[in-house]
Amino acid sequence: DVKVTQSSRYLVKRTGEKVFLECVQDMDHENMFWYRQDPGLGLRLIYFSYDVKMKEKGDIPEGYSVSREKKERFSLILESASTNQTSMYLCASSLGTGRLETQYFGPGTRLLVL
Amino acid sequence: AQKVTQAQTEISVVEKEDVTLDCVYETRDTTYYLFWYKQPPSGELVFLIRRNSFDEQNEISGRYSWNFQKSTSSFNFTITASQVVDSAVYFCALALSGYALNFGKGTSLLVTP
Repeated sequence: DVKVTQSSRYLVKRTGEKVFLECVQDMDHENMFWYRQDPGLGLRLIYFSYDVKMKEKGDIPEGYSVSREKKERFSLILESASTNQTSMYLCASSLGTGRLETQYFGPGTRLLVL
Repeated sequence: AQKVTQAQTEISVVEKEDVTLDCVYETRDTTYYLFWYKQPPSGELVFLIRRNSFDEQNEISGRYSWNFQKSTSSFNFTITASQVVDSAVYFCALALSGYALNFGKGTSLLVTP
């Protein structure tokens, strides 16, 4: 079974703090993704990575950055957290063999920025 | 542009009823994939099914079935004899040749005893 884990289920931070959300997958997947989920807006792609050290912007990258130093780990960074970044953050991974593969999701991190 | 519409925001049924969740998609591509995911209250999105645009065969998996109709650009999901454990938010998603998934806004299903 594919296993995608996220470092925290719940996180509370203050405005202006630097926030790291970590995601690890254990299936040697090439692709990893960060989404945020908000009521009424569904899931929106923030960033994805198709290889180590490679990244691509998604639909809403503003205010976020990412890091992929190792294949199994994909970090989402909020350089200076703001209240409008309060959301549910979901990480996903997919195999990536030159054609689209199913994305498997982690349990999510509910972030509250005060 | 590609788009996924789940017109039903919330559905409430009584246990053992059958329920169909609608999904309509828009794309000009001839090659695409469609997915359904389930998100229970715990928050994790659970993959249910993936279907490519060249395979219009309907699929059944236990109490779950999916009806894919390219003529109406729909990929509907039916739960037969619903159970309380089916209560969740269900997302339909569309993928093209790239990496990203386009999700619908989800349908919240509540099954009451």
